Amino acid sequence: QVQLQESGPGLVKPSETLSLTCTVSGGSFRLYYWSWIRQPAGKGLEWVGHMQVSGNTNYNPSLKSRVSMSLDTSENQFTLKLTSVTAADTAVYYCARVEGPSYCSRGSCLWYMDVWGKGTTVTVSS
Amino acid sequence: QLVLTQSPSASASLGASVKLTCTLSSGHSSSAIAWHQQQPQKGPRFLMSLNSDGSHDKGDGIPDRFSGSSSGAERYLTISSLHYEDGADYYCQTWDKGIEVFGRGTKLTVV
Repeated sequence: QVQLQESGPGLVKPSETLSLTCTVSGGSFRLYYWSWIRQPAGKGLEWVGHMQVSGNTNYNPSLKSRVSMSLDTSENQFTLKLTSVTAADTAVYYCARVEGPSYCSRGSCLWYMDVWGKGTTVTVSS
Repeated sequence: QLVLTQSPSASASLGASVKLTCTLSSGHSSSAIAWHQQQPQKGPRFLMSLNSDGSHDKGDGIPDRFSGSSSGAERYLTISSLHYEDGADYYCQTWDKGIEVFGRGTKLTVV
């Protein structure tokens, strides 16, 4: 059974870089997208970005200039870096495995998060 | 740009049924979605993927009380025989041109 575990500093200073790691156990990296999602306190889920082993990467347009992701298949880990953070980046950050493609229609298919990590809280404060 | 619309809140009685709705924006009525549940103070959990024809695939261990259906641009999640632990936030999610899209979520209260 695949399990995901987020790790990283719980406190980051404004203007610095947030760096998180997701460790995957019990499964392969191949064929999936690997995604980061965040959730500010009391608010909904916001997709940050995702990537595949192939290097195919997409980021949320609102964060694109500050986000980068990488994969280390030898360590079964993928990482998120978010630069120039502000208090608005304070949130619980989740990693997730993205399954697909399924239910294809008119050239478009569904990819969806089928396994989630438990999340890690990141606070941006001096 | 694809937008998923959900009602902010819903309420239903213990043991009853409730039907939550996720509406796809204009021009996207054939898109499939996924439903996710987030219980208080927990991470999200995948419930099911749901096609435009109502066919759906549930995640491992998801009870039979959870089912999905579709009509036009609307995607539904029906929960029958409500338990107190079904009180949670429910999010719909889809994929649009390589971008993952979430609805704003529906907070379900079981009374």
